[in-house]
Amino acid sequence: EAGVTQFPSHSVIEKGQTVTLRCDPISGHDNLYWYRRVMGKEIKFLLHFVKESKQDESGMPNNRFLAERTGGTYSTLKVQPAELEDSGVYFCASSPLALAETQYFGPGTRLLVL
Amino acid sequence: EDQVTQSPEALRLQEGESSSLNCSYTVSGLRGLFWYRQDPGKGPEFLFTLYSAGEEKEKERLKATLTKKESFLHITAPKPEDSATYLCAVRRGSNTGKLIFGQGTTLQVKP
Repeated sequence: EAGVTQFPSHSVIEKGQTVTLRCDPISGHDNLYWYRRVMGKEIKFLLHFVKESKQDESGMPNNRFLAERTGGTYSTLKVQPAELEDSGVYFCASSPLALAETQYFGPGTRLLVL
Repeated sequence: EDQVTQSPEALRLQEGESSSLNCSYTVSGLRGLFWYRQDPGKGPEFLFTLYSAGEEKEKERLKATLTKKESFLHITAPKPEDSATYLCAVRRGSNTGKLIFGQGTTLQVKP
């Protein structure tokens, strides 16, 4: 069974540019999560999709971040315009429908904003 | 406020030297405590889920335990391949799957 995949693995952009991160969850997983780890800090929650609906977006830092999950399959996270403090590792995770289920993480996208 | 604190931040062991990692938590209505292992440049890899005080789970050289305030990850006779960052996370009782992570303990096992 394929795991959670993320694309790209690395991205280097300049301040003010736009970047779009993609996450493909494990097949059949209705729950999809985005997390972020900035340098020296713990992994922090960004948002949670159930199928195509946003269940909890309390962790989204500001309106420069836009997450979508069209059709309830893959998800994208767009940062526009990117700022220096957006640098970090963005992880995606997925789990089956029951909330108590384990979340399985992807390898992450390493974003550097210069 | 929900909080997860892991200690120590870093731990260096000799191969075969057993030890324990600590995860202290404050959360309203615990709905699961999770242990993950993370290798450099990779995503967190699931190890265990514990749901109630007194619960224990084992996998190879690792054993996780849970009380009402903390969890321990016991490592028995570690090997160099156990070197990694170990992450603890909790999920609170609500209609979100949000995990709250600690900062992790980086373990180095020397041969």
